[in-house]
Amino acid sequence: AQSVTQPDIHITVSEGASLELRCNYSYGATPYLFWYVQSPGQGLQLLLKYFSGDTLVQGIKGFEAEFKRSQSSFNLRKPSVHWSDAAEYFCAVGVQKLVFGTGTRLLVSP
Amino acid sequence: DSGVTQTPKHLITATGQRVTLRCSPRSGDLSVYWYQQSLDQGLQFLIQYYNGEERAKGNILERFSAQQFPDLHSELNLSSLELGDSALYFCASSPRTGGVETQYFGPGTRLLVL
Repeated sequence: AQSVTQPDIHITVSEGASLELRCNYSYGATPYLFWYVQSPGQGLQLLLKYFSGDTLVQGIKGFEAEFKRSQSSFNLRKPSVHWSDAAEYFCAVGVQKLVFGTGTRLLVSP
Repeated sequence: DSGVTQTPKHLITATGQRVTLRCSPRSGDLSVYWYQQSLDQGLQFLIQYYNGEERAKGNILERFSAQQFPDLHSELNLSSLELGDSALYFCASSPRTGGVETQYFGPGTRLLVL
């Protein structure tokens, strides 16, 4: 069965510091992976996706993610966090029906 | 703005009632997906429609039903509502079905059942 694990429920990062959000997946075939961000009271916005090819994918707002098949991971990174990045981040896997992780809430301290 | 619209934005109703949530997909998208986001269950896929036909089903309760109309908008009907149905309901759309596609999400409808 497909599943996604986001082991960190909350993460606090200082503004300007680097960020890494963890995502591990379980999927029977080639995984199609996504990161979405949800700001308070908002819908889900796609940050980036991995379908195939280069394992390092670039997304919007300066985010990137690296697909590591050997570790079944698709961690999200950003070199320098801005206060506006405070939100909840969801990793998802799937083709038609997406399976989401439980999310990681990012708090940015001044 | 993803181009997916959902109405209403908020809905407050009582247990036992029935409500209808509406979704308009992005222009040209044929697939519509419904998801439920609740505190205890997280984000869960409910159902997918493609060009008017049901294509995939997830953890959708029998009290819930959906349809997609010829103009491609979709409605999610929730009946005999219970307190536990309080959640944020998202609609997403994608151009086609089958294969891998990016799903674009609407802003959601927040349902509160009292």
